[in-house]
Amino acid sequence: GAGVSQSPSNKVTEKGKDVELRCDPISGHTALYWYRQSLGQGLEFLIYFQGNSAPDKSGLPSDRFSAERTGGSVSTLTIQRTQQEDSAVYLCASSLAQIQETQYFGPGTRLLVL
Amino acid sequence: QKEVEQDPGPLSVPEGAIVSLNCTYSNSAFQYFMWYRQYSRKGPELLMYTYSSGNKEDGRFTAQVDKSSKYISLFIRDSQPSDSATYLCAMSSGGSYIPTFGRGTSLIVHP
Repeated sequence: GAGVSQSPSNKVTEKGKDVELRCDPISGHTALYWYRQSLGQGLEFLIYFQGNSAPDKSGLPSDRFSAERTGGSVSTLTIQRTQQEDSAVYLCASSLAQIQETQYFGPGTRLLVL
Repeated sequence: QKEVEQDPGPLSVPEGAIVSLNCTYSNSAFQYFMWYRQYSRKGPELLMYTYSSGNKEDGRFTAQVDKSSKYISLFIRDSQPSDSATYLCAMSSGGSYIPTFGRGTSLIVHP
């Protein structure tokens, strides 16, 4: 079956612009996660959705970052007024509600802020 | 001290070698332990998932958990050039759905 998909795969933007990153989880996976991975760094947790609600937003680095999920499926991560330090790979993962320890990742969106 | 420590490497080995990748952790509440493989410019792929202490084998891969020492390992037998990737350990407690990831170890298997 289809895995987690993300779009765009690459995004180059200018400092100060807004960007939207999209994630399509595996069908039937109610849990969805966003992470950020910078060069040489581990995975930095950003936000977690269970269904359409986000019980844990603790990882969002600033109020320029927001995310939503609609219909218990697609999620969008929005970064407003992008800064150069936002440049990273943004990864989305999904899992079954019952086995949330096993997450399935998408290929990521590589964001470069000039 | 980070909750999960993982040597970034790179670890370079010849084809056919047995590879040992390790992580240490400080949170005794961790009960679930995972290993992910990440190829360059790809997302992490779940390799192994274990609960509590002991060994789990899957083909050429063996995951080992020693909770008393707070130490986990991933062994790869008969390593192949296609095993060249970054290996991330991850772990979580029963009360948190958010795993804590290590930084990853870069493995290079040369022919």
